[in-house]
Amino acid sequence: EPEVTQTPSHQVTQMGQEVILRCVPISNHLYFYWYRQILGQKVEFLVSFYNNEISEKSEIFDDQFSVERPDGSNFTLKIRSTKLEDSAMYFCASSGGTIYGYTFGSGTRLTVV
Amino acid sequence: AQSVAQPEDQVNVAEGNPLTVKCTYSVSGNPYLFWYVQYPNRGLQFLLKYITGDNLVKGSYGFEAEFNKSQTSFHLKKPSALVSDSALYFCAVKANQAGTALIFGKGTTLSVSS
Repeated sequence: EPEVTQTPSHQVTQMGQEVILRCVPISNHLYFYWYRQILGQKVEFLVSFYNNEISEKSEIFDDQFSVERPDGSNFTLKIRSTKLEDSAMYFCASSGGTIYGYTFGSGTRLTVV
Repeated sequence: AQSVAQPEDQVNVAEGNPLTVKCTYSVSGNPYLFWYVQYPNRGLQFLLKYITGDNLVKGSYGFEAEFNKSQTSFHLKKPSALVSDSALYFCAVKANQAGTALIFGKGTTLSVSS
């Protein structure tokens, strides 16, 4: 069964550093998403991406964050100048269209120290 | 704006008993509704969805959910719980519009005792 792949599985970074979280969505999917989950709590929407541009973003997704699909297969989330409160599990997801469910990756656990 | 409410932080049932995990939603227009399950230190795993048609949808691992438009609910059910069903369950809703995001409830921890 097709999978969404995320790397790394765990990243530790110092406060103020930039991190890039990487995702390889399912190859024929058109919609891509980033979510985060703090300490096994609520899953929060960050951003959706379609046709090489952001289609929707939440209040969390401020200027500190950016997304990119650099080469037609990878989908990245960049966090500039990380803060302690950015520590969370970040999930990438992809979908084939509006009526389909999302397939989630296994997540990247980001720890900011 | 769409939203999802899961009123119970935790549901406790004995193995073999039926289980229900509650979910209500708010969305403009017709909703797309989903249930996901998360096991410890794992990602989100799709269980089932309602898009249109039959109000009772069946999903993975013997789970089912009933869409009730008048009560704006989409409760998750299983006739006979297993200890292995113990996990964190998320209800999610999406508006019937291209590009809108899936919004999750806060999650309900299901604990099944032997």
